[in-house]
Amino acid sequence: GQNIDQPTEMTATEGAIVQINCTYQTSGFNGLFWYQQHAGEAPTFLSYNVLDGLEEKGRFSSFLSRSKGYSYLLLKELQMKDSASYLCAVKYGNEKLTFGTGTRLTIIP
Amino acid sequence: GAVVSQHPSWVICKSGTSVKIECRSLDFQATTMFWYRQFPKQSLMLMATSNEGSKATYEQGVEKDKFLINHASLTLSTLTVTSAHPEDSSFYICSAGRYEQFFGPGTRLTVL
Repeated sequence: GQNIDQPTEMTATEGAIVQINCTYQTSGFNGLFWYQQHAGEAPTFLSYNVLDGLEEKGRFSSFLSRSKGYSYLLLKELQMKDSASYLCAVKYGNEKLTFGTGTRLTIIP
Repeated sequence: GAVVSQHPSWVICKSGTSVKIECRSLDFQATTMFWYRQFPKQSLMLMATSNEGSKATYEQGVEKDKFLINHASLTLSTLTVTSAHPEDSSFYICSAGRYEQFFGPGTRLTVL
């Protein structure tokens, strides 16, 4: 299989920083995506990593280590609107994406 | 960014009827589209890969005769849920894109 593991739930405080981890099986790896999904809505694209290192985009950053089969999404200066599910998805070989279970993030005042 | 639309956004139907969901890529051509299903508080589960001009590729455990997929043009794929039952009630989402996958807004199906 191609198990993609991420924590089920996390809670963080408004204004703080939170890191959401994702581990995956490395065989056939061809890119990793992070998506944000608010309840009842479709996922929206946040970031894409295919090479090792950190990709920064505003308050959001994503890191990849291909040898370790590991990625994280870092959210800074948390806002209440960041409360959502965050989905880690890996492309194996062709265009098909395999999604993790998602991490439900709750921001508290 | 690229836009993918879905229609309808929600549908309620009686058990035993069929429901068709459309997925359109609005500003790019998509030889491949993907159909996902998402149950409450769960992640997206890939159902099938829709291939323009050829048969869809279904994931293990997904009944191809129940979930009919037609990808007749480079901008349109349709998913028909045949003889729908209450357990088919779910959020159905399509996506398309060569590298980054763009998701449609989803269709919430409720089968009574």
